[in-house]
Amino acid sequence: KAGVTQTPRYLIKTRGQQVTLSCSPISGHRSVSWYQQTPGQGLQFLFEYFSETQRNKGNFPGRFSGRQFSNSRSEMNVSTLELGDSALYLCASSPAGQGNNEQFFGPGTRLTVL
Amino acid sequence: AQKVTQAQTEISVVEKEDVTLDCVYETRDTTYYLFWYKQPPSGELVFLIRRNSFDEQNEISGRYSWNFQKSTSSFNFTITASQVVDSAVYFCALSPAGGTSYGKLTFGQGTILTVHP
Repeated sequence: KAGVTQTPRYLIKTRGQQVTLSCSPISGHRSVSWYQQTPGQGLQFLFEYFSETQRNKGNFPGRFSGRQFSNSRSEMNVSTLELGDSALYLCASSPAGQGNNEQFFGPGTRLTVL
Repeated sequence: AQKVTQAQTEISVVEKEDVTLDCVYETRDTTYYLFWYKQPPSGELVFLIRRNSFDEQNEISGRYSWNFQKSTSSFNFTITASQVVDSAVYFCALSPAGGTSYGKLTFGQGTILTVHP
């Protein structure tokens, strides 16, 4: 069974640009969560999607958005990039996003904002 | 609000030493789940274990063991006879069982474990 895949793996952008990251969950998993990992703030929850609906959202500005497609693949978008958005963005999938579900993580997309 | 604290920022040991990683959590939920993940240099978080709040039985899996004590809100992780390949960042995480907190894990700050040959 293929694991969670994320593309691209590395990205370099400049301030003010926007970026779209992609995540393909494990086959059969309908829940996709996104996390931002930085040295200062650690791992922080961005949002979760299930059946194309955002069910949960962390404390991030509206510049961070996402969506999920009917095949459960998910994208997240960051508009008007700031230097502080430089981070490793991880997505995780689980069968249903319930509290007892183990989340399977992808390798991440490392975003650098110059 | 939920909180996970891993007080040890970095631990350095020599191969074959035993090492314990501490995790303390705060939650108002009566039912919740605790996790440990490992993040090797490649960056991908690898699931190690899940415990629910009703099961305080300690668990051993090979060289890994976990001690869950609800009375002290702790969920500690011990590696016996550490190996160089155990070098990674280890995260403790918490998730409520119900409510609307779908897909959200609250992570601790992580403990960097370095095992020297």
